[in-house]
Parts: sequence; C-alpha cells; structure tokens
Amino acid sequence: GAVVSQHPSWVICKSGTSVKIECRSLDFQATTMFWYRQFPKQSLMLMATSNEGSKATYEQGVEKDKFLINHASLTLSTLTVTSAHPEDSSFYICSARSTSGLDEQYFGPGTRLTVT
Amino acid sequence: AQSVTQLGSHVSVSEGALVLLRCNYSSSVPPYLFWYVQYPNQGLQLLLKYTSAATLVKGINGFEAEFKKSETSFHLTKPSAHMSDAAEYFCALGGSQGNLIFGKGTKLSVKP
Repeated sequence: GAVVSQHPSWVICKSGTSVKIECRSLDFQATTMFWYRQFPKQSLMLMATSNEGSKATYEQGVEKDKFLINHASLTLSTLTVTSAHPEDSSFYICSARSTSGLDEQYFGPGTRLTVT
Repeated sequence: AQSVTQLGSHVSVSEGALVLLRCNYSSSVPPYLFWYVQYPNQGLQLLLKYTSAATLVKGINGFEAEFKKSETSFHLTKPSAHMSDAAEYFCALGGSQGNLIFGKGTKLSVKP
C-alpha cells in the first residue's frame, strides 16, 4: 500500500525556537495533504489542508502565522511551528491523498513535539 | 454540520469475547465512513471503510462494521477479541473538504 513518512518522529525543542516537520508520500503523488493535531488521550483535530502549489487552508482557531505549511511538491509538505511554546506540545499527524477519492488517504506515523 | 460520536471512551473485554465499538454520525450528505486503529505513539491504520457499496464492510484483522442509515450508525465488531487488538479505535466521517472528521476515540482493553 501507499506509504507516508514523517520526519522527525519525535523532537524536543526549547520555548521560542522553531521546528519543522516533514511529511512525504513515498510511492505516490499527493495532491492534497492534511495536518492533524492530537492531544494526549484525545482525538485528531484537523489543523489545515494543503494543496500542492497553493496556500494552505487553515481551520478556524489555528494561527496560520504560527503554523506555517508549505506544500511545494507532490510528495512533500512541511509544517513549521514557529516560536514554539509548551502549549504547542502535541502529536502532529499528516495524511496524504492521491486522488479526489475520499478513500485514498494515507496517514503518516506522527511526530511527537515536546516544547520545554 | 457533520459530526461523529463514539459511545464509550473505554471498552474492556475478555480475550475471546465479542468486541463492539459504537459509532454514530451526523451528515446531511451520503456519508463515507471509516474505522482506524492507533497503537501508542503511532499513526493511524485503516481498518475498514464504507463508501456507499455494501452495508456490511469487512476489514483487516477480523473486524467488520455495518452501516445502518436508519440508525445513523457504523458500529465496529469482531467476534473474538485477541490481546493484540488492544489499542485506540477511531471512527471517522469524510468531510466536505476531503478531510476526515474523527470521533473522540475508544480505547479497547483486552483481558487475558
């Protein structure tokens, strides 16, 4: 099946620094990628939708200047958490969709971000 | 608005017993429905999906789910639980943007 990777799998950073998380579709082209955030023992909440070559669409309440998303190619999307704070500590999961079909969505393994 | 409700944040069964995880949805359009499993500190793995074909959907690892429009439900079942089934299970609804709308999840514990 289709594989989506995320890098890094975990990261610890100091408050005020920026962290970049990569999401790659390894064996297919992803026209659309989604970024989700999952707090401990909670569900996944959609943060933003990114389409290759265009600006990301952010969900209400998500600061677009804080969570920068770039989808520069059909196989790579990046999420940069700028000026990170402890409350940004979370599990970030991306998913990639190869076609317009809703059932063609594949999830990455997630990135655990801890801000100290 | 579209939404997903999972009844029971924690379900505990004995090994070999029936597993039943409940999911109800709300959608003004014909729904696409999914069940995912998540093991600790890992991403999501698709168990099965309903995309308007057969109402009884068979997935991996012996799981199946039945779509009932009249009850707006998509409950997940497995006849006989195995220790390896212990995980978090999420029901999801296909959103209008192509994203997924997730329920809050149900943690399944399996007792020996």
